[in-house]
Amino acid sequence: DIQMTQSPSSLSASVGDRVTITCQASQDISTYLNWYQQKPGKAPKLLISDASNLEAGVSSRFSGGGSGTDFTFTINSLQPEDFATYYCQQYGHVPYTFGQGTKLEVK
Amino acid sequence: EVQLVESGGGLVQPGGSLRLSCAASGFTFDYYAMHWVRQAPGKGLEWVSGISWNSGSIDYADSVKGRFTISRDNAKNSLYLQMSSLRVEDTAFYYCARDTLRDWGQGTLVTVSS
Repeated sequence: DIQMTQSPSSLSASVGDRVTITCQASQDISTYLNWYQQKPGKAPKLLISDASNLEAGVSSRFSGGGSGTDFTFTINSLQPEDFATYYCQQYGHVPYTFGQGTKLEVK
Repeated sequence: EVQLVESGGGLVQPGGSLRLSCAASGFTFDYYAMHWVRQAPGKGLEWVSGISWNSGSIDYADSVKGRFTISRDNAKNSLYLQMSSLRVEDTAFYYCARDTLRDWGQGTLVTVSS
């Protein structure tokens, strides 16, 4: 199975800050990577697919990059609604696997 | 608009069985692979099982292999998860998801407890 190592596991930031989360795959997954946002009591919401493709209707504050084994997810100019938990997930190989999540909290 | 609606969750004793359903609409169901993903309360996400568009390819996480069975009925636009020999550690919200997990239902809670 492919292991997805996501860091940090938690992050404190303020409105207006820029934050970056990283995700490392244990083997090459090309760009078969999704990034999700999850708020309490809700299902995960897909923000970015194919490592860098912003989903329709998602704010351009969110961006993603990388290929192979190393990936980044960035939120520019944090807004109050962005405080949530974020996950990466690979779909290059079955079983699909997730990072352990990053909880983004208000500083 | 893609809609996925799970049902069938509830409280079950260890060793018991439960069948989850997922009703799909807003897309051509039999074009896509479908999956189940679970999340224990307060924990991360775990892929459980996936089934190809024609049921020709089926996969399971090691944690559920031999106990859970995924199936689909393309005529009814429905996905199923038959869960047996349930354990306390199977307690989680269970979500159905489409394709590469780009669309998710709202989830159904399965609680395994005596």
